[in-house]
Amino acid sequence: SQQGEEDPQALSIQEGENATMNCSYKTSINNLQWYRQNSGRGLVHLILIRSNEREKHSGRLRVTLDTSKKSSSLLITASRAADTASYFCATVITGANNLFFGTGTRLTVIP
Amino acid sequence: GAVVSQHPSWVICKSGTSVKIECRSLDFQATTMFWYRQFPKQSLMLMATSNEGSKATYEQGVEKDKFLINHASLTLSTLTVTSAHPEDSSFYICSARDLSLAKQPQHFGDGTRLSIL
Repeated sequence: SQQGEEDPQALSIQEGENATMNCSYKTSINNLQWYRQNSGRGLVHLILIRSNEREKHSGRLRVTLDTSKKSSSLLITASRAADTASYFCATVITGANNLFFGTGTRLTVIP
Repeated sequence: GAVVSQHPSWVICKSGTSVKIECRSLDFQATTMFWYRQFPKQSLMLMATSNEGSKATYEQGVEKDKFLINHASLTLSTLTVTSAHPEDSSFYICSARDLSLAKQPQHFGDGTRLSIL
């Protein structure tokens, strides 16, 4: 399976704290993307980082990519209760067009 | 921005019924659409990739006669779960992409929750 692994599986933090989620994958990639999913809903694209990039920012989100370790991290700073959701990393492997999703991290931000 | 509409959002039906799920791209031409399946508290598993005007490519272990995919136009793909049984109950999500826009991500529908009694 080309599915990535995420850790932790679940994360519970207080509002205002930072949340860090990690993703590891297995094969050479074209890019890595992070998505958010509210319970029972579709996915919302958060950020895309290309294989030749090491770090990317978008608002309160910071994503890093280490292709030598085949890993990525998503940092959400100053978390809010509304950030409560599941977060998935997804990779586009070299030569393919479809996404392979990680196992996901369920984030709970306590008000 | 681009929007993908998926319909219906929720289906409950009896075992043996065939169920059709529609996925529409509302403001872009979706040369490729993807169908995913998600069990509770699990990740999305790709079922098949459909390209407009050609046969879908199914992932290993997905029965093509069970899950019929039609991508007849650049804005519509359908997934039909034929003779559905309780084990087919799941959350089905489609996504669409315009491959001519290489830098654009996939856009996802809101999913269809299928419950087979």
